[in-house]
Amino acid sequence: DTGVSQDPRHKITKRGQNVTFRCDPISEHNRLYWYRQTLGQGPEFLTYFQNEAQLEKSRLLSDRFSAERPKGSFSTLEIQRTEQGDSAMYLCASSLAPRGELFFGEGSRLTVL
Amino acid sequence: GENVEQHPSTLSVQEGDSAVIKCTYSDSASNYFPWYKQELGKRPQLIIDIRSNVGEKKDQRIAVTLNKTAKHFSLHITETQPEDSAVYFCAAIRGGADGLTFGKGTHLIIQP
Repeated sequence: DTGVSQDPRHKITKRGQNVTFRCDPISEHNRLYWYRQTLGQGPEFLTYFQNEAQLEKSRLLSDRFSAERPKGSFSTLEIQRTEQGDSAMYLCASSLAPRGELFFGEGSRLTVL
Repeated sequence: GENVEQHPSTLSVQEGDSAVIKCTYSDSASNYFPWYKQELGKRPQLIIDIRSNVGEKKDQRIAVTLNKTAKHFSLHITETQPEDSAVYFCAAIRGGADGLTFGKGTHLIIQP
């Protein structure tokens, strides 16, 4: 499968715990994005990488959230001290061009109890 | 920042009829407007996009129109089929930014 893959697909955690999601983009794509989607809403932009550089961060990305893309390939999104409001689907996407098609992964669904 | 409003939130049409979904955006510097389709439990997928130097774009049964003056753009689906049933999201992005701003989505239901 040469699409965007995300792991884990589902994560249930208790409030206050830390969680980490991984995204493997399409191999030739140098642009990688993280979005968050809640039920009945469109995806909300969180952050963007071009190669290993994090170039843009949304105001939604509080200091409990951190994202990395250490070698310009896979990326991780960590949420520290999770809160119930963090429950959502976390979508990763990659693209080849600045205004090109975003290829989304299947998402990582987080449930915070 | 950019704000994208999408209407209606739910649209039910008879199979074979046309469907129109409308979006407005707030940032006059926005210059790229894609539409994504998300089937239940699946990832969003691009179906069509338009750039600000073009007023209309068509791809088989799907078309998108853009009115820069009024800051709105619309998705038109003709001869709707059952497989068109999904949630459709419009989005916009301004020059110099990289994160798309999505609308809240329209749940399109095709009645047999």
